[in-house]
Amino acid sequence: SQTIHQWPATLVQPVGSPLSLECTVEGTSNPNLYWYRQAAGRGLQLLFYSVGIGQISSEVPQNLSASRPQDRQFILSSKKLLLSDSGFYLCAWRTPGQSYEQYFGPGTRLTVT
Amino acid sequence: AQRVTQPEKLLSVFKGAPVELKCNYSYSGSPELFWYVQYSRQRLQLLLRHISRESIKGFTADLNKGETSFHLKKPFAQEEDSAMYYCALSSFSLQGAQKLVFGQGTRLTINP
Repeated sequence: SQTIHQWPATLVQPVGSPLSLECTVEGTSNPNLYWYRQAAGRGLQLLFYSVGIGQISSEVPQNLSASRPQDRQFILSSKKLLLSDSGFYLCAWRTPGQSYEQYFGPGTRLTVT
Repeated sequence: AQRVTQPEKLLSVFKGAPVELKCNYSYSGSPELFWYVQYSRQRLQLLLRHISRESIKGFTADLNKGETSFHLKKPFAQEEDSAMYYCALSSFSLQGAQKLVFGQGTRLTINP
């Protein structure tokens, strides 16, 4: 069966520090992968999506970047965190052409201090 | 521009009462809409999809293109329905990736 993992579950980082959040999917090949953010008082916002290794599309201009070094690995990064980067980050996957449903990970709570 | 609006951040009803969570959308094409739900300490998961026209856990949602709405309804609320509910609008990128635009979410609380 397919599973999706995210780590860490929670993270507290000072302003100006780097960030790396990791997401991995098991039990599927060539998934579409997604990063979403939920900021306080706001809905889920799509940040990045990827249809394959090394293929990243950004939905909103921001201080973050994403990479997909392996088929089932999706990484969210920042060189220098801002206070506004605080939020709840969700990774999701979908099997292209086979399913209309996106499957979400447990999320990472990031607090920038 | 694609947009999803859930006007109620919080909704509280008594057990056994009817529930309606509102969702309005803005989309120039033919919309594909979903309701996702997140129960306490669980992951965000799909509740239902408008094309399937199913009733899931007693919930239904009808797409009204004239009013650009996709409200979620249940005739008799149960305590286990307490959760965060998100309405979402789907589109596809040129590469074929599904992209979801979510509303702000409505936290539903069912009082005993």
